[in-house]
Amino acid sequence: EAGVAQSPRYKIIEKRQSVAFWCNPISGHATLYWYQQILGQGPKLLIQFQNNGVVDDSQLPKDRFSAERLKGVDSTLKIQPAKLEDSAVYLCASSWDREDYNEQFFGPGTRLTVL
Amino acid sequence: AQSVTQLDSHVSVSEGTPVLLRCNYSSSYSPSLFWYVQHPNKGLQLLLKYTSAATLVKGINGFEAEFKKSETSFHLTKPSAHMSDAAEYFCVVSDRDSGTYKYIFGTGTRLKVLA
Repeated sequence: EAGVAQSPRYKIIEKRQSVAFWCNPISGHATLYWYQQILGQGPKLLIQFQNNGVVDDSQLPKDRFSAERLKGVDSTLKIQPAKLEDSAVYLCASSWDREDYNEQFFGPGTRLTVL
Repeated sequence: AQSVTQLDSHVSVSEGTPVLLRCNYSSSYSPSLFWYVQHPNKGLQLLLKYTSAATLVKGINGFEAEFKKSETSFHLTKPSAHMSDAAEYFCVVSDRDSGTYKYIFGTGTRLKVLA
């Protein structure tokens, strides 16, 4: 089966600019996650969708980050305006459902550098 | 809330020798636990998972882990390291919060395999 797709793979922007990331989960997966992985740290959950509804966005900096999952399939994550501390790898993952035993499948990530 | 501690940020072993990557967790209930591997510029891949069945869990590529409730540990082992095992390894606990589950990642252990 095809894996989780993400684009772009790399992005370099100036601070205060905006940027958007795209994710296409595995077909049939109801739950989609966006993580932020800062260099040297483990991934941190930003937002979790169940179909097209938000389940958990408690760690999403809502003053600058936004995400949507229209039609319950693809998702986009946007940062506007970007700050230097947003430099990280942004990972998208999906799973069949949101039970604790379900494996999450991860995409290759988008590496963002903010100058 | 659950938490995960990976006791070593870096581990070096010689090819053909055993691998031990240590992980301790804290949890207010019986959690699901996972080990993921991340090769450079690639997505996270599941090695194995514990979901309250057998305490000794076998995974891919010869890895296994033992769930020890009394020690709150979930250490990852492999009898004989291969050069291709060099990567970053993450221990993950599934945290139950407000009716949903989310992954809590450890900070990672970078495994280096020496020829």
